[in-house]
Amino acid sequence: DGGITQSPKYLFRKEGQNVTLSCEQNLNHDAMYWYRQDPGQGLRLIYYSQIVNDFQKGDIAEGYSVSREKKESFPLTVTSAQKNPTAFYLCASSMSNAQYFGPGTRLTVL
Amino acid sequence: QKEVEQNSGPLSVPEGAIASLNCTYSDRVSQSFFWYRQYSGKSPELIMSIYSNGDKEDGRFTAQLNKASQYVSLLIRDSQPSDSATYLCAVHYSGGYQKVTFGTGTKLQVIP
Repeated sequence: DGGITQSPKYLFRKEGQNVTLSCEQNLNHDAMYWYRQDPGQGLRLIYYSQIVNDFQKGDIAEGYSVSREKKESFPLTVTSAQKNPTAFYLCASSMSNAQYFGPGTRLTVL
Repeated sequence: QKEVEQNSGPLSVPEGAIASLNCTYSDRVSQSFFWYRQYSGKSPELIMSIYSNGDKEDGRFTAQLNKASQYVSLLIRDSQPSDSATYLCAVHYSGGYQKVTFGTGTKLQVIP
Protein backbone atom coordinates (compact mmCIF):
# COMPACT_ATOMS: atom_id res chain seq x y z
CA ASP A 1 0.00 0.00 0.00
CA GLY A 2 1.30 3.43 -0.92
CA GLY A 3 0.94 6.18 1.61
CA ILE A 4 2.35 8.34 4.34
CA THR A 5 2.93 7.06 7.83
CA GLN A 6 3.58 9.04 10.99
CA SER A 7 4.65 7.75 14.36
CA PRO A 8 3.88 7.77 17.13
CA LYS A 9 0.16 8.56 17.04
CA TYR A 10 0.31 10.10 20.53
CA LEU A 11 3.38 11.55 22.21
CA PHE A 12 3.84 13.02 25.65
CA ARG A 13 6.78 15.25 26.40
CA LYS A 14 8.10 16.66 29.60
CA GLU A 15 9.16 20.27 29.62
CA GLY A 16 12.79 20.67 28.53
CA GLN A 17 12.84 17.50 26.43
CA ASN A 18 13.48 17.23 22.72
CA VAL A 19 11.25 14.80 20.85
CA THR A 20 11.36 13.55 17.27
CA LEU A 21 8.29 12.83 15.17
CA SER A 22 8.66 10.35 12.34
CA CYS A 23 7.26 10.76 8.81
CA GLU A 24 7.78 8.21 6.05
CA GLN A 25 6.28 8.04 2.54
CA ASN A 26 6.47 5.45 -0.22
CA LEU A 27 4.69 7.54 -2.86
CA ASN A 28 7.96 8.58 -4.52
CA HIS A 29 7.07 12.24 -3.92
CA ASP A 30 9.90 14.74 -3.97
CA ALA A 31 8.34 17.38 -1.72
CA MET A 32 7.47 16.89 1.95
CA TYR A 33 6.02 19.21 4.58
CA TRP A 34 5.38 19.59 8.28
CA TYR A 35 2.36 21.47 9.60
CA ARG A 36 1.06 22.26 13.02
CA GLN A 37 -2.68 22.49 13.77
CA ASP A 38 -4.04 23.94 16.99
CA PRO A 39 -7.66 23.43 18.10
CA GLY A 40 -10.07 25.38 15.93
CA GLN A 41 -7.27 26.76 13.79
CA GLY A 42 -5.88 26.19 10.34
CA LEU A 43 -2.67 24.55 9.26
CA ARG A 44 0.56 26.43 9.85
CA LEU A 45 3.67 25.44 7.90
CA ILE A 46 6.72 24.59 9.98
CA TYR A 47 9.24 23.30 7.42
CA TYR A 48 9.21 21.98 3.89
CA SER A 49 11.62 20.13 1.67
CA GLN A 50 11.54 19.92 -2.11
CA ILE A 51 14.45 17.56 -2.51
CA VAL A 52 16.81 15.37 -0.51
CA ASN A 53 19.36 17.27 1.60
CA ASP A 54 17.49 20.55 1.20
CA PHE A 55 14.77 22.11 3.35
CA GLN A 56 13.28 25.54 3.98
CA LYS A 57 11.74 27.25 6.98
CA GLY A 58 8.01 27.79 6.91
CA ASP A 59 6.00 30.36 8.82
CA ILE A 60 6.63 29.02 12.35
CA ALA A 61 10.03 27.27 12.27
CA GLU A 62 11.36 28.59 15.59
CA GLY A 63 11.90 25.76 18.08
CA TYR A 64 11.77 23.04 15.42
CA SER A 65 14.38 21.27 13.30
CA VAL A 66 14.22 18.80 10.41
CA SER A 67 16.44 16.64 8.24
CA ARG A 68 15.96 15.12 4.79
CA GLU A 69 18.64 12.49 4.30
CA LYS A 70 16.40 10.15 2.31
CA LYS A 71 13.59 10.85 -0.14
CA GLU A 72 11.22 8.72 1.89
CA SER A 73 11.83 10.27 5.30
CA PHE A 74 11.37 13.74 6.81
CA PRO A 75 11.60 13.63 10.62
CA LEU A 76 10.69 16.65 12.74
CA THR A 77 12.37 17.42 16.07
CA VAL A 78 10.50 19.56 18.55
CA THR A 79 13.14 21.16 20.73
CA SER A 80 12.92 22.57 24.22
CA ALA A 81 13.08 26.02 22.62
CA GLN A 82 9.50 25.57 21.37
CA LYS A 83 7.53 27.12 24.21
CA ASN A 84 4.07 25.89 23.32
CA PRO A 85 4.47 22.58 21.51
CA THR A 86 1.14 20.97 22.42
CA ALA A 87 -0.61 20.53 19.06
CA PHE A 88 -1.56 18.13 16.27
CA TYR A 89 1.39 17.66 13.90
CA LEU A 90 0.74 16.72 10.29
CA CYS A 91 3.22 15.55 7.70
CA ALA A 92 2.42 15.74 3.99
CA SER A 93 4.01 14.97 0.67
CA SER A 94 3.06 16.35 -2.70
CA MET A 95 2.86 15.64 -6.38
CA SER A 96 1.71 18.30 -8.86
CA ASN A 97 0.99 20.70 -6.01
CA ALA A 98 -1.64 18.46 -4.41
CA GLN A 99 -0.64 17.53 -0.88
CA TYR A 100 -1.41 14.22 0.79
CA PHE A 101 -1.36 13.95 4.56
CA GLY A 102 -0.28 11.32 7.02
CA PRO A 103 -2.52 10.42 9.98
CA GLY A 104 -0.83 12.91 12.31
CA THR A 105 0.89 12.87 15.69
CA ARG A 106 -0.77 14.45 18.70
CA LEU A 107 1.89 15.92 20.99
CA THR A 108 1.11 16.89 24.56
CA VAL A 109 3.48 18.59 26.98
CA LEU A 110 3.09 17.42 30.54
CA GLN B 1 0.78 38.10 2.77
CA LYS B 2 -1.13 35.76 0.52
CA GLU B 3 -4.39 34.76 2.17
CA VAL B 4 -7.15 32.23 1.81
CA GLU B 5 -10.43 33.16 3.49
CA GLN B 6 -13.25 30.88 4.54
CA ASN B 7 -16.30 31.36 6.73
CA SER B 8 -15.66 29.24 9.83
CA GLY B 9 -19.33 28.24 10.16
CA PRO B 10 -20.85 26.05 11.29
CA LEU B 11 -22.90 25.68 8.16
CA SER B 12 -25.94 23.56 8.93
CA VAL B 13 -27.91 21.88 6.16
CA PRO B 14 -30.64 19.22 6.28
CA GLU B 15 -29.90 15.75 4.98
CA GLY B 16 -30.44 15.57 1.22
CA ALA B 17 -29.88 19.29 0.63
CA ILE B 18 -27.04 20.96 -1.27
CA ALA B 19 -24.22 22.31 0.87
CA SER B 20 -22.32 25.25 -0.60
CA LEU B 21 -18.88 26.08 0.77
CA ASN B 22 -17.00 29.17 -0.36
CA CYS B 23 -13.41 30.33 -0.36
CA THR B 24 -11.74 33.55 -1.53
CA TYR B 25 -8.07 34.11 -2.15
CA SER B 26 -5.92 37.17 -2.43
CA ASP B 27 -3.48 36.59 -5.27
CA ARG B 28 -4.45 36.62 -8.91
CA VAL B 29 -1.41 34.54 -9.88
CA SER B 30 -2.81 31.38 -8.34
CA GLN B 31 -2.79 28.24 -10.40
CA SER B 32 -4.09 25.30 -8.42
CA PHE B 33 -6.95 24.97 -5.97
CA PHE B 34 -7.83 22.13 -3.63
CA TRP B 35 -10.57 21.10 -1.24
CA TYR B 36 -9.83 18.89 1.75
CA ARG B 37 -12.21 17.22 4.17
CA GLN B 38 -11.11 16.85 7.79
CA TYR B 39 -13.08 14.82 10.27
CA SER B 40 -12.68 15.71 13.93
CA GLY B 41 -9.39 14.38 15.27
CA LYS B 42 -8.25 13.13 11.86
CA SER B 43 -5.92 14.42 9.17
CA PRO B 44 -7.13 16.28 6.04
CA GLU B 45 -8.13 14.18 3.04
CA LEU B 46 -7.93 15.58 -0.49
CA ILE B 47 -11.36 15.40 -2.15
CA MET B 48 -11.18 17.78 -5.11
CA SER B 49 -8.67 19.71 -7.17
CA ILE B 50 -9.41 22.31 -9.84
CA TYR B 51 -7.03 24.18 -12.11
CA SER B 52 -9.11 26.10 -14.66
CA ASN B 53 -12.20 28.30 -14.61
CA GLY B 54 -15.53 26.56 -14.54
CA ASP B 55 -16.97 23.51 -12.85
CA LYS B 56 -15.46 20.13 -12.08
CA GLU B 57 -17.71 17.31 -10.92
CA ASP B 58 -16.79 14.14 -9.06
CA GLY B 59 -19.70 12.14 -7.76
CA ARG B 60 -21.72 14.28 -5.34
CA PHE B 61 -19.00 16.95 -5.27
CA THR B 62 -18.65 19.90 -7.65
CA ALA B 63 -15.80 22.39 -7.45
CA GLN B 64 -16.31 25.78 -9.05
CA LEU B 65 -13.52 28.22 -9.88
CA ASN B 66 -13.81 31.86 -10.89
CA LYS B 67 -10.35 33.39 -11.23
CA ALA B 68 -11.63 36.83 -12.20
CA SER B 69 -13.54 37.08 -8.91
CA GLN B 70 -10.88 35.13 -7.00
CA TYR B 71 -13.16 32.59 -5.46
CA VAL B 72 -13.49 28.84 -5.43
CA SER B 73 -16.46 26.92 -4.10
CA LEU B 74 -17.43 23.36 -3.27
CA LEU B 75 -20.97 22.06 -3.70
CA ILE B 76 -22.04 18.84 -2.03
CA ARG B 77 -25.25 17.42 -3.45
CA ASP B 78 -27.56 15.10 -1.50
CA SER B 79 -25.70 15.90 1.73
CA GLN B 80 -25.36 13.02 4.17
CA PRO B 81 -24.63 13.04 7.90
CA SER B 82 -21.29 11.42 7.04
CA ASP B 83 -20.37 14.63 5.19
CA SER B 84 -20.29 16.46 8.53
CA ALA B 85 -16.69 17.63 8.80
CA THR B 86 -14.49 20.68 8.39
CA TYR B 87 -13.68 21.54 4.78
CA LEU B 88 -10.36 23.22 4.05
CA CYS B 89 -9.67 25.27 0.95
CA ALA B 90 -6.06 25.34 -0.27
CA VAL B 91 -4.43 27.49 -2.93
CA HIS B 92 -1.12 26.96 -4.66
CA TYR B 93 0.57 30.25 -5.46
CA SER B 94 2.98 30.21 -8.38
CA GLY B 95 6.53 30.81 -7.22
CA GLY B 96 8.64 27.96 -8.39
CA TYR B 97 8.06 25.65 -5.43
CA GLN B 98 5.35 23.32 -4.28
CA LYS B 99 3.83 25.22 -1.40
CA VAL B 100 0.18 25.89 -0.72
CA THR B 101 -1.72 28.17 1.64
CA PHE B 102 -4.65 26.71 3.58
CA GLY B 103 -7.78 28.45 4.78
CA THR B 104 -8.93 27.89 8.34
CA GLY B 105 -11.83 25.74 7.18
CA THR B 106 -15.63 25.73 7.25
CA LYS B 107 -17.38 23.34 9.60
CA LEU B 108 -20.33 21.60 7.94
CA GLN B 109 -23.11 19.96 9.92
CA VAL B 110 -25.62 17.81 8.06
CA ILE B 111 -28.76 17.40 10.15
CA PRO B 112 -30.59 14.04 9.76
